[in-house]
Amino acid sequence: GESVGLHLPTLSVQEGDNSIINCAYSNSASDYFIWYKQESGKGPQFIIDIRSNMDKRQGQRVTVLLNKTVKHLSLQIAATQPGDSAVYFCAESSNTNAGKSTFGDGTTLTVKP
Amino acid sequence: GAGVSQSPSNKVTEKGKDVELRCDPISGHTALYWYRQSLGQGLEFLIYFQGNSAPDKSGLPSDRFSAERTGGSVSTLTIQRTQQEDSAVYLCASSLDRARDIQYFGAGTRLSVL
Repeated sequence: GESVGLHLPTLSVQEGDNSIINCAYSNSASDYFIWYKQESGKGPQFIIDIRSNMDKRQGQRVTVLLNKTVKHLSLQIAATQPGDSAVYFCAESSNTNAGKSTFGDGTTLTVKP
Repeated sequence: GAGVSQSPSNKVTEKGKDVELRCDPISGHTALYWYRQSLGQGLEFLIYFQGNSAPDKSGLPSDRFSAERTGGSVSTLTIQRTQQEDSAVYLCASSLDRARDIQYFGAGTRLSVL
């Protein structure tokens, strides 16, 4: 079946450094992607999204890059802060999966002071 | 406005008992999802409601699991004859109108089956 997976389960960075979290997807029909952040004891929260007609989208301190050729998605966090420590999930959806989002396993980001 | 509300936040039950988990979605959201999240794991899709359409139950792991959504708003996830492997956090999410919209999650119900 189709799956969305992340390359690394954990990522540790120094405060102030930039973070890059990667995501691979296998459904070539995927056309909408979302990054969520889940802090301990909370539900996932929306960070940023991107549609397949775009290669890049920027938010506040975050950038999502989409490479449809290799079916790869990344989340870049600039000047990572301790409050960025969380689990990050990518999710994809398309018309072929009845509009349901498929979530990856998640990457745990730890920011060291 | 208020976000997605789930109750109870924690539930401890004995093996074999039935449990009901409640989700109040954001007002006006027509799509509602249930997920299960085991410790340190990703999100496992359980069931999806969209408006008045028949729910997508393709993720329910067994016939012990069922869910209802009354009046297009509040949803209840029921687990009958609970087993220890049912222990997990059960998350509910809602989105505005289409399944591909941003999902807003509740804080979850942590279920522990002893």
